[in-house]
Amino acid sequence: DGGITQSPKYLFRKEGQNVTLSCEQNLNHDAMYWYRQDPGQGLRLIYYSQIVNDFQKGDIAEGYSVSREKKESFPLTVTSAQKNPTAFYLCASSKGGGFPYEQYFGPGTRLTVT
Amino acid sequence: KQEVTQIPAALSVPEGENLVLNCSFTDSAIYNLQWFRQDPGKGLTSLLLIQSSQREQTSGRLNASLDKSSGRSTLYIAASQPGDSATYLCAVPTLQTGANNLFFGTGTRLTVIP
Repeated sequence: DGGITQSPKYLFRKEGQNVTLSCEQNLNHDAMYWYRQDPGQGLRLIYYSQIVNDFQKGDIAEGYSVSREKKESFPLTVTSAQKNPTAFYLCASSKGGGFPYEQYFGPGTRLTVT
Repeated sequence: KQEVTQIPAALSVPEGENLVLNCSFTDSAIYNLQWFRQDPGKGLTSLLLIQSSQREQTSGRLNASLDKSSGRSTLYIAASQPGDSATYLCAVPTLQTGANNLFFGTGTRLTVIP
């Protein structure tokens, strides 16, 4: 089955700890994205990558970091610098970057930081 | 900056009714408009994508229209079913901010009552 997987589904961390969220796709897509969803707000773009070894900041990149060493994988690290990390995180992918292809989403990871 | 609004925030209808969901956006210089469905605690499922040059797009019981000049899109659901209950989101990438940066509305939560 082709698709996007995110793990874990639920993640709990103490304040001050860094945490890494996994995103893998087997759709052979070049572009991958990370969004954050908060209650009552639309999804907001954190980072995106159009190609391996390249990524750009989205609207709310502060306190987050990413890497893109493989086409299939785009992990997101939530650092201790992120002031309000508790949220639902969604990973997406599309055929390519630089063109508005349809985006496909993973099932999400709910992060709770206390 | 693009602002995307979806009204109403919530809607309840009896099974079998036809319904319309609304999406409006402030910057009409868009590449396309995408409608998604989100079930509680889940990721997004792409429903329809309308290119900026199109007026309508249909998939099964769903019909999406786009009036770019007035900054509006509607999603028409025919003969609604309880399985249609979900939150419906619209999203647009704008020419100014790039093809990969989707701006999302906050969604309309639809409940179809059996």
